[in-house]
Amino acid sequence: DADVTQTPRNRITKTGKRIMLECSQTKGHDRMYWYRQDPGLGLRLIYYSFDVKDINKGEISDGYSVSRQAQAKFSLSLESAIPNQTALYFCATSDLGTVPETQYFGPGTRLLVL
Amino acid sequence: QKEVEQNSGPLSVPEGAIASLNCTYSDRGSQSFFWYRQYSGKSPELIMSIYSNGDKEDGRFTAQLNKASQYVSLLIRDSQPSDSATYLCAADNSGGYQKVTFGTGTKLQVIP
Repeated sequence: DADVTQTPRNRITKTGKRIMLECSQTKGHDRMYWYRQDPGLGLRLIYYSFDVKDINKGEISDGYSVSRQAQAKFSLSLESAIPNQTALYFCATSDLGTVPETQYFGPGTRLLVL
Repeated sequence: QKEVEQNSGPLSVPEGAIASLNCTYSDRGSQSFFWYRQYSGKSPELIMSIYSNGDKEDGRFTAQLNKASQYVSLLIRDSQPSDSATYLCAADNSGGYQKVTFGTGTKLQVIP
């Protein structure tokens, strides 16, 4: 079984809809991240959480919200989807205290907003 | 703005040759550096990490770090067509939080 899973893997939605992307991990890591990837722009950090009670905005958090339901679960919501949120979304995890602290990625969710 | 710069490529090398991928970073406080491989439409997969100046070898891969020049490289020996992918360089951020900045990646094409 994969250590980091994301659901759904593909999603098509319409402008204005609220959607949720989910991430679960069995690695036992404290830290979780949400990124989006667009062609030519690389991976950009949306939100990150260092434990259940610690959630922080990344460089492009506008239009997104997150929930850390448990150590193993971190969800990303688009409150009102817009076409420029069409992208590939990745969840990642890392283990506090390891050197170097490496991020491990889920398989990604491909989102299309019409 | 902390930046990690990579040539987008494509870098084309013949099968069996050495591929050399380069990366520069702007944050002098960065301590750890990472190379990820990403196939089209797939997630990034860690190849190597390095945090000491010098070379680190793992099979056909060698990572090189020069903190004085703020330069990281990845050498792939005996390149195979299966190595064709985009390679992402990443550096951790100084300032107390273990965030990572990613470069936009270099596309490598290994020609059979």
